[in-house]
Amino acid sequence: EIVLTQSPGTLSLSPGERATLSCRASQSITNNYLAWYQQKPGQAPRLLIYAASSRATGIPDRFTGSGSGTDFTLTISRLEPEDFAVYFCQQYGNSPRTFGQGTKLEIK
Amino acid sequence: QVQLVQSGAEVKKPGASVRVSCKASGYTFTGYFIHWVRQVPGQGLEWMGWINPNSGGTNYAQRFQGRVTMTRDTSISTTYMELNSLTSDDTAVYYCARSPMGQRNDYWGQGTLVTVS
Repeated sequence: EIVLTQSPGTLSLSPGERATLSCRASQSITNNYLAWYQQKPGQAPRLLIYAASSRATGIPDRFTGSGSGTDFTLTISRLEPEDFAVYFCQQYGNSPRTFGQGTKLEIK
Repeated sequence: QVQLVQSGAEVKKPGASVRVSCKASGYTFTGYFIHWVRQVPGQGLEWMGWINPNSGGTNYAQRFQGRVTMTRDTSISTTYMELNSLTSDDTAVYYCARSPMGQRNDYWGQGTLVTVS
């Protein structure tokens, strides 16, 4: 199965700053089927990005996904207070679907 | 609007079974797969498998093979996930999530906490 490694584990930033989250796969992801989810405490994950760079419905354009093959990035251009949460990447190009361990984005 | 509404929290004893339901609304039930994903509190997400509500076909993660069963009732747009031989390691929040075939999980249920104690 494909192992996804996210970095950093925790990212401490201030509102208005730029956040860059990384997701690295143990092997190339078919069709670049890589998604990013946001999860807040007590809530289900929320889809942000799919197919590496497509924004899901209703997601603000400050969220940008990029990358291909084994290296993917989620960039949040200017952090809003509501963006502080845990972010997971998921690959769905190969079975079984797998998730990264998450990056916690916290307020500095 | 698309909604997936799951059944309520469960407390089970070791060795027992649990069945969690996921009722879909706001879209054509048979047009999208339903996946089940679990999350141990404070930890990451683990994919368990999917069911195709149209055919009833399933695909389970290897580590749950023989212990999980996913079924559906198209008359009430509901899918079920049953997990047997529970241990304390199965204590987790269980989510259902929709996907177009082979695609991302775009809508998620609210989660069901299963406690094994």
